Amino acid sequence: DGGITQSPKYLFRKEGQNVTLSCEQNLNHDAMYWYRQDPGQGLRLIYYSQIVNDFQKGDIAEGYSVSREKKESFPLTVTSAQKNPTAFYLCASSMGGTSGNNEQFFGPGTRLTVL
Amino acid sequence: SQKIEQNSEALNIQEGKTATLTCNYTNYSPAYLQWYRQDPGRGPVFLLLIRENEKEKRKERLKVTFDTTLKQSLFHITASQPADSATYLCALAPSGTYKYIFGTGTRLKVLA
Repeated sequence: DGGITQSPKYLFRKEGQNVTLSCEQNLNHDAMYWYRQDPGQGLRLIYYSQIVNDFQKGDIAEGYSVSREKKESFPLTVTSAQKNPTAFYLCASSMGGTSGNNEQFFGPGTRLTVL
Repeated sequence: SQKIEQNSEALNIQEGKTATLTCNYTNYSPAYLQWYRQDPGRGPVFLLLIRENEKEKRKERLKVTFDTTLKQSLFHITASQPADSATYLCALAPSGTYKYIFGTGTRLKVLA
């Protein structure tokens, strides 16, 4: 089955810890994205990558880091510098391009809670 | 400033009626606009895409319109069913960028 997976589904972090959220896709998509969703709010873009070994900051990149060493993988690290990390994190992929005519495929999400 | 807005208030309608959701944007000139469905605790799922030169797009009970003069898209679900209850998000990609901008979504509840 083709798709995009995220793990873990639930993650608990103590203050001051870094945690890494996994995102894998087997759709052969060039573009991958990380979003954060807070209750009653829309999706806010954290980072995105159009190609392996290249990525760009989104609107709320502070306190987060990513890597894109493989086409199918785009892990997100939530660092201790992120002051309010409790949220629902969504990873997505698409065929890429700048025209906006490619649908995004989303993973099931990871709910991160800071204790 | 650039904004994409959806009605944040929940929309409650009776089963069998047509639901109409609105997406307004300012200071963008998108060539495409997309609609997604999101169920609680899950990732959004793509529904429809409409191009700027298309006035209307249909898929089964779904219909989307795109008015680039009003800077507005309307999303209709005809013969609505309780299973249509979800949050619906609109999204656009500003011209020349790789980014997608999402609205806050409108929660639809179809009452049996």
